[in-house]
Amino acid sequence: LAKTTQPISMDSYEGQEVNITCSHNNIATNDYITWYQQFPSQGPRFIIQGYKTKVTNEVASLFIPADRKSSTLSLPRVSLSDTAVYYCLVVDYGQNFVFGPGTRLSVLP
Amino acid sequence: DAGVIQSPRHEVTEMGQEVTLRCKPISGHDYLFWYRQTMMRGLELLIYFNNNVPIDDSGMPEDRFSAKMPNASFSTLKIQPSEPRDSAVYFCASSNLGVGLYEQFFGPGTRLTVL
Repeated sequence: LAKTTQPISMDSYEGQEVNITCSHNNIATNDYITWYQQFPSQGPRFIIQGYKTKVTNEVASLFIPADRKSSTLSLPRVSLSDTAVYYCLVVDYGQNFVFGPGTRLSVLP
Repeated sequence: DAGVIQSPRHEVTEMGQEVTLRCKPISGHDYLFWYRQTMMRGLELLIYFNNNVPIDDSGMPEDRFSAKMPNASFSTLKIQPSEPRDSAVYFCASSNLGVGLYEQFFGPGTRLTVL
């Protein structure tokens, strides 16, 4: 299985930009990297997905370097409601879906 | 659309009993996934189906676990016999290849406690 690592936790203040990086080796060359957000007692929710370079949507940006061994989720101007756990999801060469261990983001007032 | 529906939301059972978890995917979605989430192991993919056919069940921990998808609108995950180490939150998710294979829509989960 692909090995993924993420920081266990991060703290930020409202209005700041937050960058969460996921390191992933042995991922398939032609599959997307996806990020999910999870609130307590809920299922994960899709945030953003990308293959390479940069992708931006209405809530986040995703940066993927050319070697695709990592990806960085960027949340602009976080608010208290962004407090959640964030997971990366990759597919490895064995077509296995592998979620990262998750990063617990705490946004402080 | 109501989203992915799972039942029951909570299940408490005793060791050795059979447990059946149910899932109704979003209408029109071709893929259905079953995940397990624990503090120790995080989110683990157990099995997934494409057009009702199991594609990869390598994540199913033991023969005590089985999953079926008799039609496009229903799937079950069964544990028989259940053990305390099976206690976890079980999520069902569905997706449509047409909107991005990995944009999965998750249900609210079933919290299973095996005493």
